[in-house]
Amino acid sequence: GDSVTQMEGPVTLSEEAFLTINCTYTATGYPSLFWYVQYPGEGLQLLLKATKADDKGSNKGFEATYRKETTSFHLEKGSVQVSDSAVYFCALSENTGGFKTIFGAGTRLFVKA
Amino acid sequence: DAGVTQSPTHLIKTRGQQVTLRCSPKSGHDTVSWYQQALGQGPQFIFQYYEEEERQRGNFPDRFSGHQFPNYSSELNVNALLLGDSALYLCASSLASLLSTDTQYFGPGTRLTVL
Repeated sequence: GDSVTQMEGPVTLSEEAFLTINCTYTATGYPSLFWYVQYPGEGLQLLLKATKADDKGSNKGFEATYRKETTSFHLEKGSVQVSDSAVYFCALSENTGGFKTIFGAGTRLFVKA
Repeated sequence: DAGVTQSPTHLIKTRGQQVTLRCSPKSGHDTVSWYQQALGQGPQFIFQYYEEEERQRGNFPDRFSGHQFPNYSSELNVNALLLGDSALYLCASSLASLLSTDTQYFGPGTRLTVL
């Protein structure tokens, strides 16, 4: 079945450092790919998405490119801030007569001032 | 505009009991999905409701059942509770579409503890 694998955390960075969180997926068809973020004490919210191969999703300085050849959707940010500290989830969604979203286990990011 | 709301916020039950969780979708949304998030894990899809019917289901036993009302709100019922059912239960709403790209909006969740 479909699955999502993302790098284990926690990831600890200093402010203004470069961030990469790796995500790979397994799917039978052509899924849409997502990154969700869960800030401390808050609900899950969509960060960015990409719907087809080579699409780049971006939001709040974060970017991820849908790579079909490597089945990957790595999250990147050029300069992280303390306020980026959160748990990040990679996810996929496929239309199978309705659709369900499959999430990775999440990667916790700590950014130090 | 209210987002997705869930009730109650927290709940404590004992093994063998039954529980009902409630969700009101974001205004204008007609599709509701339920997820279980164990501590330190990603959300696991339970099922999705559209037009008062279960449209899609994940790998959860029949002890997990749901309902959607004409106003699109939804309930999640869990019977014969097990210790392993302790988790954060998330509700997400979206607008019906044949596309899987529609954005889901998540509620804050209900924290269920089974003793």
